[in-house]
Amino acid sequence: DTAVSQTPKYLVTQMGNDKSIKCEQNLGHDTMYWYKQDSKKFLKIMFSYNNKELIINETVPNRFSPKSPDKAHLNLHINSLELGDSAVYFCASSQTVSGKLFFGSGTQLSVL
Amino acid sequence: KNEVEQSPQNLTAQEGEFITINCSYSVGISALHWLQQHPGGGIVSLFMLSSGKKKHGRLIATINIQEKHSSLHITASHPRDSAVYICAVVRGATNKLIFGTGTLLAVQP
Repeated sequence: DTAVSQTPKYLVTQMGNDKSIKCEQNLGHDTMYWYKQDSKKFLKIMFSYNNKELIINETVPNRFSPKSPDKAHLNLHINSLELGDSAVYFCASSQTVSGKLFFGSGTQLSVL
Repeated sequence: KNEVEQSPQNLTAQEGEFITINCSYSVGISALHWLQQHPGGGIVSLFMLSSGKKKHGRLIATINIQEKHSSLHITASHPRDSAVYICAVVRGATNKLIFGTGTLLAVQP
């Protein structure tokens, strides 16, 4: 069974659309994250949730809104998509805020 | 200047060689991660350490907190070790993860 699963794996959409990426972990972890990997392969944290509460909210446009309905899920909703949003988005989880990370397989978002 | 610097950025080695990848950071940390990203894109955590040394198979990670430096060593390298290796530190005050830019390793048979 996949520990951290995110869907979809690929997402191609037009500028201005709204889209969501879903993430689920079955590890019983308390903390979940969203990371963005740009075209230069540089990873940067976007959000972190601990027990459904937002604990890290980096300087990302407010078009990006994370939602954590329960500890096992952290979804990422993006409004009014822009060309610059094209990237690979990784979900991850850890038992604690500084624990070992388990990553999803990534969602490659292409905004046309 | 990035708070986490890795060297080298690119590394090509022959199969069997001993490999070292370095990571230096400029902030106070509570832990350091070494991650591996394969050409297919998936990211795997190799080590998380806050002091000393850890070993897993052919991989060894060390950290020197005073010098703000960590190294990842691969013994008897193999083509399947070809990947991007990423150092990331957990910033002590905020628990925020800050990533290095990665080291692209290619091991040739």
